[in-house]
Amino acid sequence: GDSVTQMEGPVTLSEEAFLTINCTYTATGYPSLFWYVQYPGEGLQLLLKATKADDKGSNKGFEATYRKETTSFHLEKGSVQVSDSAVYFCALRVGAGNQFYFGTGTSLTVIP
Amino acid sequence: NAGVTQTPKFQVLKTGQSMTLQCAQDMNHNSMYWYRQDPGMGLRLIYYSASEGTTDKGEVPNGYNVSRLNKREFSLRLESAAPSQTSVYFCASPGGWSYNEQFFGPGTRLTVL
Repeated sequence: GDSVTQMEGPVTLSEEAFLTINCTYTATGYPSLFWYVQYPGEGLQLLLKATKADDKGSNKGFEATYRKETTSFHLEKGSVQVSDSAVYFCALRVGAGNQFYFGTGTSLTVIP
Repeated sequence: NAGVTQTPKFQVLKTGQSMTLQCAQDMNHNSMYWYRQDPGMGLRLIYYSASEGTTDKGEVPNGYNVSRLNKREFSLRLESAAPSQTSVYFCASPGGWSYNEQFFGPGTRLTVL
Protein backbone atom coordinates (compact mmCIF):
# COMPACT_ATOMS: atom_id res chain seq x y z
CA GLY A 1 0.00 0.00 0.00
CA ASP A 2 0.91 3.67 -0.06
CA SER A 3 2.84 4.99 2.90
CA VAL A 4 5.40 7.47 4.11
CA THR A 5 8.24 6.89 6.58
CA GLN A 6 10.05 9.80 8.13
CA MET A 7 12.85 10.02 10.62
CA GLU A 8 11.89 10.01 14.23
CA GLY A 9 12.60 12.93 16.44
CA PRO A 10 12.82 14.94 18.37
CA VAL A 11 15.54 16.93 16.66
CA THR A 12 17.29 19.74 18.53
CA LEU A 13 19.56 22.13 16.67
CA SER A 14 21.35 25.35 17.42
CA GLU A 15 20.35 28.44 15.48
CA GLU A 16 22.02 28.63 12.04
CA ALA A 17 22.67 24.87 11.94
CA PHE A 18 21.90 22.77 8.87
CA LEU A 19 18.71 20.75 8.94
CA THR A 20 17.86 17.48 7.25
CA ILE A 21 14.71 15.51 7.95
CA ASN A 22 14.56 12.24 6.03
CA CYS A 23 11.42 10.99 4.30
CA THR A 24 10.98 7.91 2.13
CA TYR A 25 7.82 6.68 0.50
CA THR A 26 6.09 3.66 -0.94
CA ALA A 27 3.50 4.26 -3.61
CA THR A 28 1.57 2.14 -6.07
CA GLY A 29 1.34 4.89 -8.67
CA TYR A 30 2.91 8.28 -9.32
CA PRO A 31 2.62 10.27 -6.12
CA SER A 32 2.77 13.93 -5.36
CA LEU A 33 4.90 14.61 -2.30
CA PHE A 34 4.48 17.24 0.38
CA TRP A 35 5.97 18.67 3.52
CA TYR A 36 3.57 20.17 6.03
CA VAL A 37 4.50 22.15 9.14
CA GLN A 38 2.57 22.38 12.40
CA TYR A 39 3.33 25.19 14.81
CA PRO A 40 2.31 24.75 18.45
CA GLY A 41 -1.44 24.81 18.96
CA GLU A 42 -2.21 25.11 15.26
CA GLY A 43 -3.31 22.93 12.37
CA LEU A 44 -0.98 21.72 9.66
CA GLN A 45 -0.09 24.02 6.81
CA LEU A 46 1.58 23.23 3.53
CA LEU A 47 5.28 24.08 3.47
CA LEU A 48 6.27 22.82 0.02
CA LYS A 49 5.38 20.24 -2.57
CA ALA A 50 6.67 18.41 -5.66
CA THR A 51 4.41 16.69 -8.15
CA LYS A 52 6.83 14.72 -10.33
CA ALA A 53 10.25 13.12 -10.23
CA ASP A 54 13.25 15.49 -9.99
CA ASP A 55 11.03 18.44 -9.04
CA LYS A 56 12.36 20.58 -6.22
CA GLY A 57 9.88 22.19 -3.87
CA SER A 58 11.01 25.24 -1.92
CA ASN A 59 9.57 27.75 0.50
CA LYS A 60 10.87 29.92 3.36
CA GLY A 61 14.42 28.61 2.84
CA PHE A 62 13.33 24.97 3.02
CA GLU A 63 13.90 22.65 0.07
CA ALA A 64 13.09 19.06 -0.87
CA THR A 65 13.79 17.16 -4.09
CA TYR A 66 11.56 14.37 -5.36
CA ARG A 67 13.95 11.43 -5.96
CA LYS A 68 12.20 8.58 -7.69
CA GLU A 69 15.31 6.36 -7.79
CA THR A 70 15.63 6.42 -4.00
CA THR A 71 11.91 7.00 -3.28
CA SER A 72 12.84 9.92 -1.07
CA PHE A 73 11.81 13.50 -0.37
CA HIS A 74 14.18 14.77 2.31
CA LEU A 75 13.59 18.20 3.81
CA GLU A 76 16.61 20.53 4.12
CA LYS A 77 17.36 24.03 5.30
CA GLY A 78 20.75 25.59 5.32
CA SER A 79 20.40 27.78 8.41
CA VAL A 80 17.56 27.20 10.85
CA GLN A 81 16.05 29.86 13.05
CA VAL A 82 14.27 29.67 16.39
CA SER A 83 11.02 30.42 14.55
CA ASP A 84 11.41 27.14 12.61
CA SER A 85 10.66 25.17 15.78
CA ALA A 86 7.63 23.06 14.86
CA VAL A 87 6.56 19.56 13.89
CA TYR A 88 7.19 18.61 10.26
CA PHE A 89 5.14 16.02 8.38
CA CYS A 90 5.99 14.33 5.12
CA ALA A 91 2.95 13.31 3.06
CA LEU A 92 1.96 11.84 -0.27
CA ARG A 93 -1.04 11.59 -2.53
CA VAL A 94 -1.27 9.18 -5.43
CA GLY A 95 -2.76 10.70 -8.56
CA ALA A 96 -6.18 12.19 -7.99
CA GLY A 97 -6.95 9.69 -5.26
CA ASN A 98 -8.94 10.71 -2.25
CA GLN A 99 -6.40 9.74 0.36
CA PHE A 100 -3.45 11.73 1.61
CA TYR A 101 -0.91 9.68 3.59
CA PHE A 102 1.03 11.40 6.36
CA GLY A 103 4.18 10.39 8.17
CA THR A 104 4.36 10.35 11.95
CA GLY A 105 5.90 13.81 12.19
CA THR A 106 9.33 15.03 13.31
CA SER A 107 9.54 17.56 16.08
CA LEU A 108 12.21 20.22 15.60
CA THR A 109 13.44 22.53 18.34
CA VAL A 110 15.92 25.27 17.50
CA ILE A 111 17.78 26.80 20.42
CA PRO A 112 19.39 30.25 20.32
CA ASN B 1 -12.33 34.13 4.09
CA ALA B 2 -11.77 31.99 7.19
CA GLY B 3 -10.73 28.78 5.39
CA VAL B 4 -11.55 25.79 7.61
CA THR B 5 -13.10 26.40 11.01
CA GLN B 6 -13.73 23.91 13.80
CA THR B 7 -15.70 24.00 17.02
CA PRO B 8 -15.12 23.51 19.86
CA LYS B 9 -11.39 24.06 20.41
CA PHE B 10 -11.33 22.04 23.61
CA GLN B 11 -13.68 19.48 25.13
CA VAL B 12 -13.64 17.16 28.12
CA LEU B 13 -16.08 14.25 28.18
CA LYS B 14 -16.80 11.40 30.52
CA THR B 15 -16.78 7.87 29.19
CA GLY B 16 -20.09 7.11 27.51
CA GLN B 17 -21.04 10.69 26.75
CA SER B 18 -21.71 11.80 23.21
CA MET B 19 -20.70 14.88 21.29
CA THR B 20 -20.44 16.31 17.80
CA LEU B 21 -17.41 18.09 16.40
CA GLN B 22 -18.30 20.71 13.85
CA CYS B 23 -16.32 21.69 10.77
CA ALA B 24 -17.06 24.25 8.09
CA GLN B 25 -15.14 25.50 5.06
CA ASP B 26 -15.83 28.60 3.02
CA MET B 27 -13.59 27.73 0.07
CA ASN B 28 -16.31 25.99 -1.98
CA HIS B 29 -14.31 22.74 -1.98
CA ASN B 30 -15.98 19.44 -2.73
CA SER B 31 -14.00 17.19 -0.39
CA MET B 32 -13.67 17.27 3.37
CA TYR B 33 -11.76 15.03 5.77
CA TRP B 34 -11.57 14.18 9.46
CA TYR B 35 -8.23 13.11 10.98
CA ARG B 36 -7.08 12.32 14.46
CA GLN B 37 -3.57 13.09 15.65
CA ASP B 38 -1.94 11.00 18.36
CA PRO B 39 1.66 11.10 19.61
CA GLY B 40 3.91 8.87 17.53
CA MET B 41 1.05 7.99 15.17
CA GLY B 42 0.94 11.02 12.92
CA LEU B 43 -2.40 11.79 11.31
CA ARG B 44 -4.85 8.99 10.73
CA LEU B 45 -7.89 9.38 8.52
CA ILE B 46 -11.21 8.71 10.24
CA TYR B 47 -13.71 9.54 7.49
CA TYR B 48 -13.81 11.61 4.38
CA SER B 49 -16.44 13.02 2.07
CA ALA B 50 -15.53 13.35 -1.59
CA SER B 51 -18.62 15.41 -2.34
CA GLU B 52 -21.86 16.58 -0.80
CA GLY B 53 -23.99 13.57 0.08
CA THR B 54 -21.18 11.00 0.14
CA THR B 55 -19.01 9.73 2.96
CA ASP B 56 -16.39 6.98 3.15
CA LYS B 57 -14.47 5.29 5.91
CA GLY B 58 -10.81 5.95 6.40
CA GLU B 59 -8.23 4.06 8.41
CA VAL B 60 -9.83 4.34 11.88
CA PRO B 61 -13.63 4.80 11.57
CA ASN B 62 -14.77 2.65 14.51
CA GLY B 63 -16.62 4.60 17.18
CA TYR B 64 -17.35 7.55 14.91
CA ASN B 65 -20.10 8.70 12.59
CA VAL B 66 -20.09 11.59 10.16
CA SER B 67 -22.60 13.78 8.38
CA ARG B 68 -21.97 15.90 5.32
CA LEU B 69 -24.72 18.38 6.01
CA ASN B 70 -24.11 20.47 2.90
CA LYS B 71 -21.12 21.49 0.83
CA ARG B 72 -19.75 23.69 3.63
CA GLU B 73 -20.20 21.50 6.69
CA PHE B 74 -18.89 18.09 7.75
CA SER B 75 -19.52 16.95 11.32
CA LEU B 76 -17.97 14.12 13.32
CA ARG B 77 -19.99 12.43 16.05
CA LEU B 78 -18.87 10.30 18.95
CA GLU B 79 -21.95 8.39 20.14
CA SER B 80 -20.38 6.86 23.25
CA ALA B 81 -16.97 8.33 23.98
CA ALA B 82 -14.12 6.11 25.19
CA PRO B 83 -10.74 7.07 26.68
CA SER B 84 -9.09 5.69 23.51
CA GLN B 85 -10.73 8.55 21.63
CA THR B 86 -8.70 11.12 23.55
CA SER B 87 -6.91 12.89 20.73
CA VAL B 88 -6.61 16.04 18.68
CA TYR B 89 -9.08 16.08 15.81
CA PHE B 90 -8.46 17.97 12.59
CA CYS B 91 -10.83 18.74 9.79
CA ALA B 92 -9.29 19.39 6.38
CA SER B 93 -10.34 20.19 2.84
CA PRO B 94 -8.15 19.86 -0.25
CA GLY B 95 -7.84 22.71 -2.67
CA GLY B 96 -5.30 24.57 -4.77
CA TRP B 97 -3.91 23.33 -8.07
CA SER B 98 -5.19 19.79 -8.69
CA TYR B 99 -6.68 19.89 -5.20
CA ASN B 100 -3.28 18.81 -3.93
CA GLU B 101 -3.09 21.01 -0.88
CA GLN B 102 -4.89 20.03 2.30
CA PHE B 103 -6.20 23.07 4.18
CA PHE B 104 -6.50 22.25 7.87
CA GLY B 105 -8.64 23.65 10.62
CA PRO B 106 -7.11 24.64 13.97
CA GLY B 107 -8.09 21.37 15.64
CA THR B 108 -10.22 20.19 18.56
CA ARG B 109 -8.44 18.81 21.60
CA LEU B 110 -10.69 16.14 23.13
CA THR B 111 -10.10 14.42 26.44
CA VAL B 112 -12.26 11.48 27.50
CA LEU B 113 -12.06 10.63 31.18
